[in-house]
Amino acid sequence: AQTVTQSQPEMSVQEAETVTLSCTYDTSESDYYLFWYKQPPSRQMILVIRQEAYKQQNATENRFSVNFQKAAKSFSLKISDSQLGDAAMYFCAYRSATWETSGSRLTFGEGTQLTVNP
Amino acid sequence: EPEVTQTPSHQVTQMGQEVILRCVPISNHLYFYWYRQILGQKVEFLVSFYNNEISEKSEIFDDQFSVERPDGSNFTLKIRSTKLEDSAMYFCASRRGSYNSPLHFGNGTRLTVT
Repeated sequence: AQTVTQSQPEMSVQEAETVTLSCTYDTSESDYYLFWYKQPPSRQMILVIRQEAYKQQNATENRFSVNFQKAAKSFSLKISDSQLGDAAMYFCAYRSATWETSGSRLTFGEGTQLTVNP
Repeated sequence: EPEVTQTPSHQVTQMGQEVILRCVPISNHLYFYWYRQILGQKVEFLVSFYNNEISEKSEIFDDQFSVERPDGSNFTLKIRSTKLEDSAMYFCASRRGSYNSPLHFGNGTRLTVT
């Protein structure tokens, strides 16, 4: 079974600075998808960014980018020019690309609570 | 942008009662899911639903739980004989048919069992 680990329960960053959230995962599969979801105090789960494992290029969405290291099974999220609205719980998630073995469920990490200081 | 909508936002029920949590997935989505998040814990997969049947379920999803798509728009989660430990945030999610399509989550229903 796949596991996702976020070793940083809490992180803080100054407004306008850059912060990196860590995520590691364990899988025996070669093809899969990785996601970062944001959960603000409203508790809604918002997709931030996703990465397909077969793509070597790191995904980027505006101020959000990832550092995907497939061999190391690492998938960190970098938030540049942090804004107050970025304050939230961030979850890393894994999904297999092989329906037959793992279905389509998302496996989540424990989450990292990000605080943005003005 | 279309959204997944969930009702109610907060449900309080007494232990032993049955509850039905309701979801309206995005209209052109084909796969539907329920996830649960106990306060302070990670989000856990409960069940996926496709083509009017359960396609996958977790070990959490036992006989106490059931899902249904009674019409073309609603997707419901029924919890029978609720227990205190069922108190959690329940998220509905949906996605399009292509396998690499991302999940879109609703705002969740906070279930409190007293």
